[in-house]
Amino acid sequence: EAGVVQSPRYKIIEKKQPVAFWCNPISGHNTLYWYRQNLGQGPELLIRYENEEAVDDSQLPKDRFSAERLKGVDSTLKIQPAELGDSAVYLCASSFSRGSSYEQYFGPGTRLTVT
Amino acid sequence: AQSVTQLGSHVSVSEGALVLLRCNYSSSVPPYLFWYVQYPNQGLQLLLKYTSAATLVKGINGFEAEFKKSETSFHLTKPSAHMSDAAEYFCAVSGVDMRFGAGTRLTVKP
Repeated sequence: EAGVVQSPRYKIIEKKQPVAFWCNPISGHNTLYWYRQNLGQGPELLIRYENEEAVDDSQLPKDRFSAERLKGVDSTLKIQPAELGDSAVYLCASSFSRGSSYEQYFGPGTRLTVT
Repeated sequence: AQSVTQLGSHVSVSEGALVLLRCNYSSSVPPYLFWYVQYPNQGLQLLLKYTSAATLVKGINGFEAEFKKSETSFHLTKPSAHMSDAAEYFCAVSGVDMRFGAGTRLTVKP
């Protein structure tokens, strides 16, 4: 069974440029998460989807970040315009359900460098 | 609010020695607790999880963790370290959402 797929793996852009990340979750997983992981820290939730509905986006900087999950399967996270402080690893994860006991499965992440 | 604190950002052990990575949690309800491992340039991989079925939880790669409610701890251990265990380890607590600790980097010396 394929795991969570993310692309690209690495992205280098100049500040003020737009960037987009793509995620395809494990088949059958209804819940999808986007996390940001800064260097030397644990992942921090940006947004959680239940099927196609964003049910928790309280930590998403909405002035520059946007996300969508059309048809409740794969998802795209966008930053426009990017700032130097956005340099981080962006992780996508999925789980069978949003229940607390369900583990999340992580993709390899996209390492973003903003210059 | 739920949170976890990992004591020690960096732990170094010799190959064959005991591995002990510390995690303390804060939760107003019975918690679900997880340990994840992250190898360089990879995502997080689940090592084990506690969901109240048993206080001693065995995971992959010879790791185990013990839930101690009185100490609000969920420390990760492995009797004998292997070079391949060198990685970043994250403790997490799940409630409304999953909260991760800052991570502990494990170094294994030959």
